[in-house]
Amino acid sequence: QKEVEQNSGPLSVPEGAIASLNCTYSDRGSQSFFWYRQYSGKSPELIMFIYSNGDKEDGRFTAQLNKASQYVSLLIRDSQPSDSATYLCAVNTPENQAGTALIFGKGTTLSVSS
Amino acid sequence: ETGVTQTPRHLVMGMTNKKSLKCEQHLGHNAMYWYKQSAKKPLELMFVYNFKEQTENNSVPSRFSPECPNSSHLFLHLHTLQPEDSALYLCASSQASGANTDTQYFGPGTRLTVL
Repeated sequence: QKEVEQNSGPLSVPEGAIASLNCTYSDRGSQSFFWYRQYSGKSPELIMFIYSNGDKEDGRFTAQLNKASQYVSLLIRDSQPSDSATYLCAVNTPENQAGTALIFGKGTTLSVSS
Repeated sequence: ETGVTQTPRHLVMGMTNKKSLKCEQHLGHNAMYWYKQSAKKPLELMFVYNFKEQTENNSVPSRFSPECPNSSHLFLHLHTLQPEDSALYLCASSQASGANTDTQYFGPGTRLTVL
């Protein structure tokens, strides 16, 4: 059973702080990793993806991937109240390359207080 | 949200009803997906279509029946559902390029309540 694990939270941080969201996955063959943000009552929206070990930065967001440890994280710098949402980690299933079948974690709820 | 649209946005149905959910993507993508999102559970992949061909059926009960007439449209036909089928049903699409960067984009979802 391929699994993606996330701490459900809530993770509470003050405005301006760095929020760190973590995700582990069970399938060593996984190649691509996605972070989605989901506001309450809305659908998931893509924040960023990563497929190489190391860091990938996009504005206030940094994704970090460590394939040896099967660990991917998302850092949000200068957190804002508008960042309060559930963050979903998703991992692709390697046997289905044309058309990406993703396995999602349950998500981590982030609350940023002003 | 306008890239992938879903109708209806809300649906209440009895267990003996038959209804259909519709999804349309305007992104020129070749793959479309149905997901189920229940409270306290991760998003569950239900069906995958690549170039109109179903490539994955994730052990979904037969009371859910997908249809993909072309690369832009996807339907989910519902019949004799159970109350535990109440959930948010999300449609997504992707380019299906085969690359690691193939990214899924979601529609707004249909909130389904089965009485």
